[in-house]
Amino acid sequence: GAGVSQSPRYKVAKRGQDVALRCDPISGHVSLFWYQQALGQGPEFLTYFQNEAQLDKSGLPSDRFFAERPEGSVSTLKIQRTQQEDSAVYLCASSLALSLGVEAFFGQGTRLTVV
Amino acid sequence: GENVEQHPSTLSVQEGDSAVIKCTYSDSASNYFPWYKQELGKGPQLIIDIRSNVGEKKDQRIAVTLNKTAKHFSLHITETQPEDSAVYFCAASNTNAGKSTFGDGTTLTVKP
Repeated sequence: GAGVSQSPRYKVAKRGQDVALRCDPISGHVSLFWYQQALGQGPEFLTYFQNEAQLDKSGLPSDRFFAERPEGSVSTLKIQRTQQEDSAVYLCASSLALSLGVEAFFGQGTRLTVV
Repeated sequence: GENVEQHPSTLSVQEGDSAVIKCTYSDSASNYFPWYKQELGKGPQLIIDIRSNVGEKKDQRIAVTLNKTAKHFSLHITETQPEDSAVYFCAASNTNAGKSTFGDGTTLTVKP
C-alpha cells in the first residue's frame, strides 16, 4: 500500500475484554512507533521498534499493554482486560530511518472505545 | 523526561493573515523538532521540521524558527487559506532516542 495502514479503524470493547490492534507499515520502513492520543491532546509515545527489536517500551501504561513486531514488518498492539481509561485513538507511524530526524508517516489510527 | 508546551490552544485568523504557533521544550538534548498537521479523522502529517543546528527553515508559506538557548521554536504560516484549518502539533525529540514528545495541539481556524 501507499501508506501506513491500521485496522480496525474503530473498535468498541466491553470492559475486561482483550483487543488487538494491527499496523501495516510502509514496506521497507525500519522503524515503527505506537502512540496513544486522548481526545483533545497530542499523541503520547507508547513503544518503538527497530526492525523486530523493541528498543523502547517505556511509554506503555501498564503490563496490560503488549506490542510485538515478530518479522520486522506488521506490528500488533494488544491490550488485555481493557478499562475505560484505555479509550483513545491508537496511532502507528513508520520511518525509513534507524533513528528520528527523518519523516515519520502516521496511519489514520484505531479509535478504541471501552464501554 | 522531555516536556513540550504549546500555545495558543486555539487560533482564529482571517484568510490571508499570518498565523504563529509557539512551543517550548525542556530537554537540552532534544535536537529534532517536527511540526504536524492533523485533520479530522486522520493521522498527523509532517509539514516541516528543523534540526538543532539550524535557526530557521522555510518551505513556501510555512516557516519554522528555533532558539536553542531559550528552548523555544515557532511555526509561521503566511497568507493563510481555509484549507490550512486543522490541528497543528509541535514535537521535540533526540535523534538518538526513539520517541517524540508532542505538544497538546493548536486548533487553527481560517475564516474565508
